[in-house]
Amino acid sequence: AQTVTQSQPEMSVQEAETVTLSCTYDTSESDYYLFWYKQPPSRQMILVIRQEAYKQQNATENRFSVNFQKAAKSFSLKISDSQLGDAAMYFCAYRGGGTSYDKVIFGPGTSLSVIP
Amino acid sequence: ETGVTQTPRHLVMGMTNKKSLKCEQHLGHNAMYWYKQSAKKPLELMFVYSLEERVENNSVPSRFSPECPNSSHLFLHLHTLQPEDSALYLCASSQDGGANYGYTFGSGTRLTVV
Repeated sequence: AQTVTQSQPEMSVQEAETVTLSCTYDTSESDYYLFWYKQPPSRQMILVIRQEAYKQQNATENRFSVNFQKAAKSFSLKISDSQLGDAAMYFCAYRGGGTSYDKVIFGPGTSLSVIP
Repeated sequence: ETGVTQTPRHLVMGMTNKKSLKCEQHLGHNAMYWYKQSAKKPLELMFVYSLEERVENNSVPSRFSPECPNSSHLFLHLHTLQPEDSALYLCASSQDGGANYGYTFGSGTRLTVV
């Protein structure tokens, strides 16, 4: 069975600095998708960034980028120029390939604090 | 506005009560989900509906009963709950399983069972 691990329960970063959140996963599939979601105090989970396993190029969305290492099964999130609004829980998620609706697995989350 | 709306935002209920959680999406998505989010635990998938048909029931106790009358609405009917059922219940929707665009979540219902 697939698993998703986030080894950092809590992280903090100074405003305007860069922080990297770690995520590792375990799977025997070759075709899958990886996501980072953000959950601020408002509780709504928001998709931050998405990566397709067959693409070697790392995904980037403005200040957010990933370091996808398929062989190592690692999918870290880098937040550049951190802002106060980045403070939230961040969840790494794995989705298997195909059209199955039940194959999204979330990690336990990392709580990110941004220090002014 | 999120695109996925959940009501109520907060709910306190006794163990003998019956209540319902409501989720509504106007994104044209064809799948809807209920997740349970408890403190210190990963998100737990409860139910999945695809085109109004339940495709996943993740060993959820029968005191939780889902209903999907159409592709835009999803309900979670609650009865005789236990204190350990207190949690944040999140609804989500997706197109075709969420591979391309992920899930769109609502803001959840914070449920407290007393």
